Amino acid sequence: DTAVSQTPKYLVTQMGNDKSIKCEQNLGHDTMYWYKQDSKKFLKIMFSYNNKELIINETVPNRFSPKSPDKAHLNLHINSLELGDSAVYFCASSQVYGVGTEAFFGQGTRLTVV
Amino acid sequence: GQQVMQIPQYQHVQEGEDFTTYCNSSTTLSNIQWYKQRPGGHPVFLIQLVKSGEVKKQKRLTFQFGEAKKNSSLHITATQTTDVGTYFCAGTGAGSYQLTFGKGTKLSVIP
Repeated sequence: DTAVSQTPKYLVTQMGNDKSIKCEQNLGHDTMYWYKQDSKKFLKIMFSYNNKELIINETVPNRFSPKSPDKAHLNLHINSLELGDSAVYFCASSQVYGVGTEAFFGQGTRLTVV
Repeated sequence: GQQVMQIPQYQHVQEGEDFTTYCNSSTTLSNIQWYKQRPGGHPVFLIQLVKSGEVKKQKRLTFQFGEAKKNSSLHITATQTTDVGTYFCAGTGAGSYQLTFGKGTKLSVIP
C-alpha cells in the first residue's frame, strides 16, 4: 500500500490551461503539504494543511489553490498555467503539525507546461 | 525568515571515498532532519536530531548536530554506488513549526 499517493505522475499541458493534482495519504496523519521542486532540486514549501485547515501559505501566486476535502486528501488546482510552473510537485504528510515530525513524501508529479 | 544553507551543492567521489555535507542555519533550530532523494525519486526521511551536540549513526552514515544547534553534518564512510542521490537537511526554527529545507547536496559516486 502506498502511504502518500499523488496523481498524475506526469502532466504535460499548454500554457493557459487549468489543471489539478490529487493527493491522498492512508497514514492517518493530521498534516499535509505541497512542495515545489524546481530544476535545481530546490524544495520549497507551498502550503500546509492541518486537519483540513490552512496553516502555511507561502508566497505563491493565487493561481495556485489547495483544497482539502478531508484530512486524508489535499489537492492542488492551478489556473492559467505558465511556463515557470514547470516543476515537480510533491505532496507530503506528517503525523501532527509540530516540531519533530518526519514528512512522508508522495512520488511526485512532474508538470511540464509547453 | 529562516534560512538553511547547505554545502557543497555537488560532490563527486570515487567509490570507497568518504563524503560529508554540511548544513548551517541563520537561526537556532529546534531540530534538524535529513532526507535522501534518489535520482527520479522522492525525498525519504533518514533521521532526526534534537539535542545539542547529538551524534547518531546508521551503518556507514554519521549525523551530527552542533552544540549551538545551528549546524549539522552528514558523513558517509566508504561510499558505495547505492549512496548516489541528493541529501537534504531540513530544520525547524526555535518557536516555529515550519520545516525549511536546504538546497541539497547531490552526490555522485564513480565506480
